[in-house]
Amino acid sequence: AQSVTQLDSHVSVSEGTPVLLRCNYSSSYSPSLFWYVQHPNKGLQLLLKYTSAATLVKGINGFEAEFKKSETSFHLTKPSAHMSDAAEYFCVVSGTWGGSYIPTFGRGTSLIVHP
Amino acid sequence: EAQVTQNPRYLITVTGKKLTVTCSQNMNHEYMSWYRQDPGLGLRQIYYSMNVEVTDKGDVPEGYKVSRKEKRNFPLILESPSPNQTSLYFCASSREGSGNQPQHFGDGTRLSIL
Repeated sequence: AQSVTQLDSHVSVSEGTPVLLRCNYSSSYSPSLFWYVQHPNKGLQLLLKYTSAATLVKGINGFEAEFKKSETSFHLTKPSAHMSDAAEYFCVVSGTWGGSYIPTFGRGTSLIVHP
Repeated sequence: EAQVTQNPRYLITVTGKKLTVTCSQNMNHEYMSWYRQDPGLGLRQIYYSMNVEVTDKGDVPEGYKVSRKEKRNFPLILESPSPNQTSLYFCASSREGSGNQPQHFGDGTRLSIL
């Protein structure tokens, strides 16, 4: 009923340059979409979410994502990378069917930031 | 402070020795879930609970049990652990299980089954 594909397992950028982490999804229903960040030895922290309101979603730490239904994409961007952005990022699609709620996680994108 | 607390954070044990990983949330959330994280596979859901006494299987439930007797607690039980259950485990909660609520995650429990 749903799936999510993170198109890059690793993305490497220099500090101060733009970040683009790509996510495509499929869903039989109108989905909710999330981006989470995971720093080493920590749990996942919500960056932003899309739940059928504005298609351009702003999150914490300068991140934003645009929901494009025609392209079934929900790419995460940031204008200027900081060293502290180095982490693992997960795109998640979720919805409720028949009373069950099972979110589907992408396999993750590791963001590497070079000085 | 709003949080999801897992214990223990690290555990090394042997095959067949029953273990329980506890999870507690202080946000009065209805929905709780357990995930395992393996390299290159992202997070996969083991079990979830929509509310007290309501639990259901996720994508990878084999070898695990859960219970939800109180709203705040959702323990994960491995009755007879095996090496393929060596993994990083996360507990999470959200206000409700409607699909559009973000989840709050614990810091994880790293299990090694020898």
